Order: sequence, then structure tokens, then C-alpha cells
Amino acid sequence: GIQVEQSPPDLILQEGANSTLRCNFSDSVNNLQWFHQNPWGQLINLFYIPSGTKQNGRLSATTVATERYSLLYISSSQTTDSGVYFCAVGFFSGGYQKVTFGTGTKLQVIP
Amino acid sequence: DTGVSQDPRHKITKRGQNVTFRCDPISEHNRLYWYRQTLGQGPEFLTYFQNEAQLEKSRLLSDRFSAERPKGSFSTLEIQRTEQGDSAMYLCASSPRPGGEGNTIYFGEGSWLTVV
Repeated sequence: GIQVEQSPPDLILQEGANSTLRCNFSDSVNNLQWFHQNPWGQLINLFYIPSGTKQNGRLSATTVATERYSLLYISSSQTTDSGVYFCAVGFFSGGYQKVTFGTGTKLQVIP
Repeated sequence: DTGVSQDPRHKITKRGQNVTFRCDPISEHNRLYWYRQTLGQGPEFLTYFQNEAQLEKSRLLSDRFSAERPKGSFSTLEIQRTEQGDSAMYLCASSPRPGGEGNTIYFGEGSWLTVV
């Protein structure tokens, strides 16, 4: 099956710093989402981004589908950004969309 | 428009007991997924429903696990004869029509299971 790797696995940032998280996938996909899992376990949708670039406030994401990677940028980080960031790739097989999650990046933002 | 709702949020059960989780997807979402997540890991796919039809089951879903989605609305996930290895968070997600951002999946808050 498709492999989804994220890097770095762990990241500690000082509040106010910027960071880039990466998601590599091993095969062609139809779409990609980024999620933030907060300390209570809730997976929050950040971006649906099969290709191109999107921005939402301090966050932005870029997917280069032909090169099989996506990047999530966090600028001016805040302590509330702490948690685990997952990318999830979707691909159609057997008539429906299968969604596979990456390994995650655990982010800790310290004051 | 409410989000995906899961119940119960937390369940502690003794080994060997049966447990059932319920998921209410976002209204009019005809696609529903169940995932399992253990500490330090990403969510792993368990099963998928399109309306009331269960179209895919992961090999992670042993014979002790069963899922239903009667009438294509809410779904239940039952675990029989629970084992300590079943301790995990069980996540439900739904998505609307296929195509474009209709492929976006939305997760509930999860149901934490602890088997003692």
C-alpha cells in the first residue's frame, strides 16, 4: 500500500518562530489533507490541498503532487499550535476513496 | 450544521466484556469511516460505509469487531470479548459527495477505550 512519511517526527519551537513540516508519499494520490490533533485528541481540519498553495492566517500549505510531497508552514508560532500534525492522502480504489495517514509530526511550542 | 458526534467519549471495561460505540455523521454525509488510533501512532483505517453498505474492512478488523450503519445514518462499532490490545481511541469520520472538496473528511472527537 501507499506509504506516507512525515518529517521531522518531533519539533520544539520558541513562541514566535516559524517552521516547515513535510509530508512525502510513495504513489500518486487524488487529494491530501492536513490535520492538527490537539492534546484532547480532536483532529481538526487545516487544509484540503490536492495541489497548489493555500493560506489560512498564519498557516499555509503547498502540495506538489507530481513530486509526491506537501509542506505545511507555520509562521509566528503560538503555544496553541502545539499538538500533532498529520497529513492524510486520499486515493480512489475499488470505487471509493481510501485515506491513509502519515506518521505525524509532534510540535511543542514553548513560551 | 453540527459536526461528527461520537458516544461515549470514554469507556473503561473489563477484559472479556463487549462494548459498543456510536457515531452520528454530519447530516447528509453519505460516506462514513472508522479509524483506530493508539498512542504515538497515526489513525489506522478500520472500515468504510457508503450509505448503508459496508464496502471495505481492514484486516485489523478481527472477527470480534463488527460495524453497522442501518438506514445509512448513524453507525455503531461493536467489539466483543474485549482484549487489552483493543485499548485505543476509536475515531469516526464522514465526508459528503465525491468530487473536489467533497472528498474532505471530518472527524469526531473520538471514543477512548481502556480495557483493564
